[in-house]
Amino acid sequence: DTEVTQTPKHLVMGMTNKKSLKCEQHMGHRAMYWYKQKAKKPPELMFVYSYEKLSINESVPSRFSPECPNSSLLNLHLHALQPEDSALYLCASSQDPEGSSYNSPLHFGNGTRLTVT
Amino acid sequence: AQSVAQPEDQVNVAEGNPLTVKCTYSVSGNPYLFWYVQYPNRGLQFLLKYITGDNLVKGSYGFEAEFNKSQTSFHLKKPSALVSDSALYFCAVRDMNRDDKIIFGKGTRLHILP
Repeated sequence: DTEVTQTPKHLVMGMTNKKSLKCEQHMGHRAMYWYKQKAKKPPELMFVYSYEKLSINESVPSRFSPECPNSSLLNLHLHALQPEDSALYLCASSQDPEGSSYNSPLHFGNGTRLTVT
Repeated sequence: AQSVAQPEDQVNVAEGNPLTVKCTYSVSGNPYLFWYVQYPNRGLQFLLKYITGDNLVKGSYGFEAEFNKSQTSFHLKKPSALVSDSALYFCAVRDMNRDDKIIFGKGTRLHILP
């Protein structure tokens, strides 16, 4: 079982809805990530939080809004999405507090399968 | 710019045979390389990494990878394939210009034939 927990596992939403994806890790990692993955494609980086501050935004549309309430939690708020936003959304964390960031692999959750209708 | 390439979309191997999944990299400076595996409807799982040191890196589930600097390759290997190894495999490199970003290859689907 993964040490990164994502909820919900599945989400169906209309284009006018507002919903949120949640991610939680208790490994003491200082960096948390949101990725979007289309079928049979590699994950695409969306956002990175480092020490609870947004460090990378890969030019993601504003209908996706990340939030990091504390070092263990990461949210992705969704509003006015398009059908092409349907995908698997993966959360990941990395870096033990005492380690070098270069050495640290990503630890992924099992994702939220999002369908926009 | 940092990048990795996986030249094969799919690899088919008979159960019990050795397997190789290929990856080549392009980086400025020392590479920090990773292999991940993804099973259907799951997130990616870390298999192994190369930072420095021995060119042969051992990882989870009996996998290993050979780092070859002259050929800029980091191929994933296993001496004897299992049907349960069938999955999608991603090679990845850490972007040294933005140390919180990992760049993934396109992925290689591995089919182990019983």
